[in-house]
Amino acid sequence: GAGVSQTPSNKVTEKGKYVELRCDPISGHTALYWYRQSLGQGPEFLIYFQGTGAADDSGLPNDRFFAVRPEGSVSTLKIQRTERGDSAVYLCASSLMVSGLNTEAFFGQGTRLTVV
Amino acid sequence: AQKITQTQPGMFVQEKEAVTLDCTYDTSDQSYGLFWYKQPSSGEMIFLIYQGSYDEQNATEGRYSLNFQKARKSANLVISASQLGDSAMYFCAMREGTSGTYKYIFGTGTRLKVLA
Repeated sequence: GAGVSQTPSNKVTEKGKYVELRCDPISGHTALYWYRQSLGQGPEFLIYFQGTGAADDSGLPNDRFFAVRPEGSVSTLKIQRTERGDSAVYLCASSLMVSGLNTEAFFGQGTRLTVV
Repeated sequence: AQKITQTQPGMFVQEKEAVTLDCTYDTSDQSYGLFWYKQPSSGEMIFLIYQGSYDEQNATEGRYSLNFQKARKSANLVISASQLGDSAMYFCAMREGTSGTYKYIFGTGTRLKVLA
């Protein structure tokens, strides 16, 4: 596709439920990033993938959060036993290569998650 | 640890005037990249400009320029001839190289309002 695509754009779920957020990066981009953005804050790093493997998952807040990228393209962020504090916009970004400091990341429109 | 600080939560500027958005950073790496992104109310993150730590010249992209002062660890964004469409959140971000982690770390952002 032309840009990074995230689905759904909005998700409302009940506390305790399981949710999956999908990211389809720009074709050919080897690096994929997940961020969480709360209202009025900057994007908070969660995890990034180089190809199929998670190169850095140090930003995942706890073991309720997990992400996969099985074929090195589409990624899914999975949140178990959701809590109201998980409510935020989840942003996905991709870049052409992981290394190369001048490589900008291209962001999707985000998924707004609301846990009620 | 890498850190980005944006001390201006909000800024106003008159249309057609120039405005400077502040960004300071903290890193122990010698090799790093600095980015500015714009986030309009629609939510997408738009890449504006990049500055590498070894670049001797300040980066410029159209009406955007980066005032890079390496010794002070500052990378301020200058927007010249402000337009109403420049009203948005602006985020400074950094990416380190030698430490092996290529994630982008964002500041808390500055909300810019351009006045007619």
